[in-house]
Formats: sequence, C-alpha cells, structure tokens
Amino acid sequence: KAGVTQTPRYLIKTRGQQVTLSCSPISGHRSVSWYQQTPGQGLQFLFEYFSETQRNKGNFPGRFSGRQFSNSRSEMNVSTLELGDSALYLCASSLGSTADTQYFGPGTRLTVL
Amino acid sequence: EDKVVQSPLSLVVHEGDTVTLNCSYEVTNFRSLLWYKQEKKAPTFLFMLTSSGIEKKSGRLSSILDKKELFSILNITATQTGDSAVYLCAVQESGGYQKVTFGTGTKLQVIP
Repeated sequence: KAGVTQTPRYLIKTRGQQVTLSCSPISGHRSVSWYQQTPGQGLQFLFEYFSETQRNKGNFPGRFSGRQFSNSRSEMNVSTLELGDSALYLCASSLGSTADTQYFGPGTRLTVL
Repeated sequence: EDKVVQSPLSLVVHEGDTVTLNCSYEVTNFRSLLWYKQEKKAPTFLFMLTSSGIEKKSGRLSSILDKKELFSILNITATQTGDSAVYLCAVQESGGYQKVTFGTGTKLQVIP
C-alpha cells in the first residue's frame, strides 16, 4: 500500500507570494491533517479535513487555509507569505476516527525569502 | 491550553546504553498518547497508549502510560546508532475529530 505523498517536496517563495501544497493520503484514509514544523515551535496542528469538510482547526491566522477533494486528496494554501512561514509542512492521514493512528507524509520544505 | 512537555530536550548516549524519555501532558479530553520517531522527514509511528499501566513493547522499545500522573515514558534498551532520531510524544483528543498536540521532542544521539 502506498504511503502518504506530498508535493512539491521543496519550495522557495518570496514574501507576499502565495503557495499551494498538496497531500495524497493512504488509499482508504478519509482524514487528512496538516502540521507546521519549525525548530523553535515543534509540530503545530493547522487543521484537519474529513470527507471534504474542515473538522478541526488550530491557532493559525486566516492566511492558512485548506480544502479536501472527494478523493480525499487535500491542498493547503498560504497567502501573503511571511518570513516566519518558512517551515516543514507535514500532512498526515488516517481512517478518520479519533482511535486511528495518523501516518505522515515526507513533508514539503517551504523557504520564504 | 493543551500542553505536552518532553524531557530531556536532548540526550547523547553510547551504544548499548539504556535510555528513558519522558512525556507529561495536560489536555482537556484525553483519548490516547502517541510516540513517534523522526529521523529525517516524516515521523514514523511507534506506539499508541490508551490505558494506564499496560506496557507496549516492540523489540528494544517499550512504553507505558500513567493516566493518574499524566505522563508516559519511552524506554530504549541496548541502544544502537540507528536509534539516533528525534522522539516525539503526542496526545490525541477525543471528540469526534482528529486533534493531536505534539511535544517539541527529545533529540537522541547514540554514539559508537
């Protein structure tokens, strides 16, 4: 069974631009969660999507948004990029209930110049 | 606010040593505690703990949860250089959705 895939793996943008990251979950998984990982803050929860609906959201500004498609693939968008948005963005998929384990993708390394 | 605290922040040991990593938590609606190993990019799942006092074991790794004192430990015996990684502790909440709060991790370096 293929794992969680994320594209692109690396991205360089400049301040003020916007970016879209993509995540394809494990086949059969309906929940996709997004995390931001930085050296200082560790892994921070952004949001979770389940069956095309945002089910839960962390404490990030509205510049961070996402969506999920009917095939469970998810995209995350960051608008008006700031230097502090430079981070590793990880997505994780699970079957969907709170009892399920999340499996992580390799991440997208975003650098904002 | 939910909080997960890991200690120590980093650790250097020699091959063959035994290490104990600590994780304490404060969350509103606890469902389970998770341990992950992160070597380069994606964290890989190690254990899920939901009940107090029941040890989970996988090879040289083991973990146990104390829901009364709100902490967990991860033990690694006979450490190897391949155990070098960041070990992440996370707490999963109940409530009909996935919400996982991570600690900042313990960086373990095993030297030959």
